[in-house]
Formats: sequence, structure tokens, C-alpha cells
Amino acid sequence: GAVVSQHPSRVICKSGTSVKIECRSLDFQATTMFWYRQFPKQSLMLMATSNEGSKATYEQGVEKDKFLINHASLTLSTLTVTSAHPEDSSFYICSARAAATYEQYFGPGTRLTVT
Amino acid sequence: GDSVTQMEGPVTLSEEAFLTINCTYTATGYPSLFWYVQYPGEGLQLLLKATKADDKGSNKGFEATYRKETTSFHLEKGSVQVSDSAVYFCALGTYNNNDMRFGAGTRLTVKP
Repeated sequence: GAVVSQHPSRVICKSGTSVKIECRSLDFQATTMFWYRQFPKQSLMLMATSNEGSKATYEQGVEKDKFLINHASLTLSTLTVTSAHPEDSSFYICSARAAATYEQYFGPGTRLTVT
Repeated sequence: GDSVTQMEGPVTLSEEAFLTINCTYTATGYPSLFWYVQYPGEGLQLLLKATKADDKGSNKGFEATYRKETTSFHLEKGSVQVSDSAVYFCALGTYNNNDMRFGAGTRLTVKP
């Protein structure tokens, strides 16, 4: 079946540093990838939609200069949290929409802790 | 806009009990409907889906029927197991799943 990986699964960084999270579709091509944020015991909040080869579309209230998204290939999207602060600590989940079926497949998530 | 409302939890059941988690939706078009399950510390796994009215999705003993007349997609399982303990999310997808909306999630705990 379709598999989406995320790396790293957990990361701890110091306030002010930047962190990059990778999302890969392992066995299918994804023209569109999505980045979600999940707070403890809450639902997923869509942050942005990225299409391969073009700029990401950010949801209202999401700072595009803080959360940089790059979707350079049909199997890889990256989210970079720049100048991270403790309030950026969260669980970040990506999903990839298969080009052939439009089904969204979710990655296992990345837990970011900013100290 | 499109939205999903699902039954608030937490839900605690004994093993082999019957499970129902209610989910209703609001959509202007004809969405696909999904149930996802999230185990602690993990991402979402698709549990089942239905793409049109009257479709029934089923997997691992779970079932849900797409009811257009009641705009519902309730999740049911006849006999839950301890291993079913997780958070369940109802979701809808429109525009070829380019726009997905999730419910708030329902935490299920099954006790032996």
C-alpha cells in the first residue's frame, strides 16, 4: 500500500534555531502534499498545501515566512520552521495525495519540541 | 463552509461492547467521507471510506454508511477489543480530496 514517511520522528531544538522536516511518498507520486499541525488532544489543523514545482498555499493565520514549505519533487516536500519558539512545539503531520487516485495518505508525524 | 461534527469523547467501553461514534457533516457538494484512526504518538491511518451516498465502508470489523438524507457517517463496531483503543477522526474530502476537513476526534478506551 501507499506509504508516506516523515523524518525526523522527534526533534528537540533550541529557541531561535531552524528545523527542517521531510515528508516523502515512498511508492507513489504525489503532486500535492499537505502539512497539518496537531495540538495535544485536538484535531488536525491544515497549515498549507504544496504542489510540486510551485509555491505553497498557506491557510489563513499561518505565517509563510515562519513555516517555509518546499515541494521540489513528486515524492518530497519539506517544512522548515524558522526561528523556532516554544509556542511552535507541536505534532506536525504531512499527507500526500496520490496523483492517480486523489487519495490522501498520512505520514507518522513529527513531534517538535522547542526549548 | 464544509465541516464535520463528531461525537465528543472520551468514550470508555468494556471489551466486546458495541461501539457507535456519531459523525455528521455539512457540505455544499458531494464529498467523500472517511474515518481515520490515530494510535498514541502516531499519524493517521485510514480506517474506512465511502465516496457516494448509500456506500458502506468497512474494515477490521468497523462499518460506516454514507447517509445523505441525514448527512451522517456514523462509525460502528459490534465487539470492540482493547487494541481498538485510539482516537478516531471523521473527515470529509472535496475537490478530489484537495480540501479535507476533520472532526475534533473521539478518544476511545476499551477496558478488559
